[in-house]
Amino acid sequence: GAVVSQHPSWVICKSGTSVKIECRSLDFQATTMFWYRQFPKQSLMLMATSNEGSKATYEQGVEKDKFLINHASLTLSTLTVTSAHPEDSSFYICSARQDNPSPLHFGNGTRLTVT
Amino acid sequence: QKEVEQDPGPLSVPEGAIVSLNCTYSNSAFQYFMWYRQYSRKGPELLMYTYSSGNKEDGRFTAQVDKSSKYISLFIRDSQPSDSATYLCAMRSNQFYFGTGTSLTVIP
Repeated sequence: GAVVSQHPSWVICKSGTSVKIECRSLDFQATTMFWYRQFPKQSLMLMATSNEGSKATYEQGVEKDKFLINHASLTLSTLTVTSAHPEDSSFYICSARQDNPSPLHFGNGTRLTVT
Repeated sequence: QKEVEQDPGPLSVPEGAIVSLNCTYSNSAFQYFMWYRQYSRKGPELLMYTYSSGNKEDGRFTAQVDKSSKYISLFIRDSQPSDSATYLCAMRSNQFYFGTGTSLTVIP
C-alpha cells in the first residue's frame, strides 16, 4: 500500500516553455502533498506544501509564480514549472501523507532538463 | 548547526557484512523517525518508521532510536548487492527534516 505515482519520469523542454508534473496517491487519500527538489549528492529541498482545496505554502526563496502548485483532489497534485530556464533543470520529487502522523511516501521523481 | 547530521560516506562493504548507518539530530521535539532507501534516479522508498526510543526490526533491517543521545541508527544484516543505494534518515516534529543521505555499496 501507500503508492505514489509521479509522471513524467523525465522530460526535456526548451527554455521559455512550461512543464507540468503530476503526482497521484494511488491507494490512499493524501490530505497533504509535498514537492521537493533534489540536487546531485544533496538532500531533499522542500519547495512547497499543498493541502487539498487550498493554496500551497511555499518555502522561502521559492517563487510561487514560477512553480505553480495545484492540489485539486485528495489524490492529485500538480507542479507546473512556468517559463522554464536551464537553471530549473533538476530532479523534482513529490510526496504524500495520508494523515498526521503518517510518514511520507514518495513518487519516483521527475528529471527535468531545460535546454 | 543543521537539524539533522548524516555522514554522506561513501560506505563500501563486502556482501554479507552488517551495515550500520547513523544520524544525529539537535531538536529534542522530534518524535517520529524514518529511514528511506533511494536508488539512483528514483524517489526515496520508506524502509522503517519508528516512534520513541528503542528498536524496531523488519527482516534484515533494524532501526534504533536513542532519544537521550539524539541518535538514530539503521542496521542491515547479511547485506546484499541489491542494498546498494543511498540511505536517508528523516525525522519530524511539525515538519519533516532529512539527512543528506549515506551512499552504500555492497560488493559481491
